[in-house]
Amino acid sequence: QVQLVESGGGVVQPGRSLRLSCAASGFIFSTYGMHWVRQAPGKGLEWVAVIWYDGSNKYYADSVKGRFTISRDNSNNTLYLQMNSLRAEDTAVYYCARGAFRTTISAAFDYWGQGTLVTVSS
Amino acid sequence: EIVMTQSPATLSVSPGDRATLSCRASQSVSSNLAWYQQKPGQAPGLLIYGASTRATGIPARFSGSGSGTEFTLTISSLQSEDFAVYYCQQYNNWPPWTFGQGTKVEIK
Repeated sequence: QVQLVESGGGVVQPGRSLRLSCAASGFIFSTYGMHWVRQAPGKGLEWVAVIWYDGSNKYYADSVKGRFTISRDNSNNTLYLQMNSLRAEDTAVYYCARGAFRTTISAAFDYWGQGTLVTVSS
Repeated sequence: EIVMTQSPATLSVSPGDRATLSCRASQSVSSNLAWYQQKPGQAPGLLIYGASTRATGIPARFSGSGSGTEFTLTISSLQSEDFAVYYCQQYNNWPPWTFGQGTKVEIK
């Protein structure tokens, strides 16, 4: 069955960096686009970033553009989110989610990981 | 950016009753609309995609309708496990992929 397992969260000071990972299994990882979505405590869902199945395209929310970098390692079935210059408002649970199959233009997020909590605080 | 607006923010329903949740898009998203369910302490899970297609394993009491800018999620007879927060999301015009602010379905 499809499994997505995030790791790498924790407490970090403002201005510092953190890298999140999402280990995928149960499907052919290299054929799906992957997303990061976050949820601040008590708040709704906010899309963060996407990477195409082959890494050829990446898009970011304006709130993280220039600070966060999404990447993937298809040989190791792992998705990453490098987060630099962290701010208090980046505090959230970060979820990875599976997106579109190959060149499909639009798709819902059909599988989600359990999330990893990032707390930005001094 | 397409803004998704859900109503009501909170819906109080008795077990066995019908629940109707609304989602409006600021511009047409065709049928590229999904609904997710999130229970406390859990990740969201896909309920409906393509505005009206149930995801794998989703019970028939969940149904979605609409197209363009107006969408509805209906739960025909609420079960105890259905009390949760529900989000709509458009995946027609991106980036960004955008979510509504959520509707909390609580026990009346």
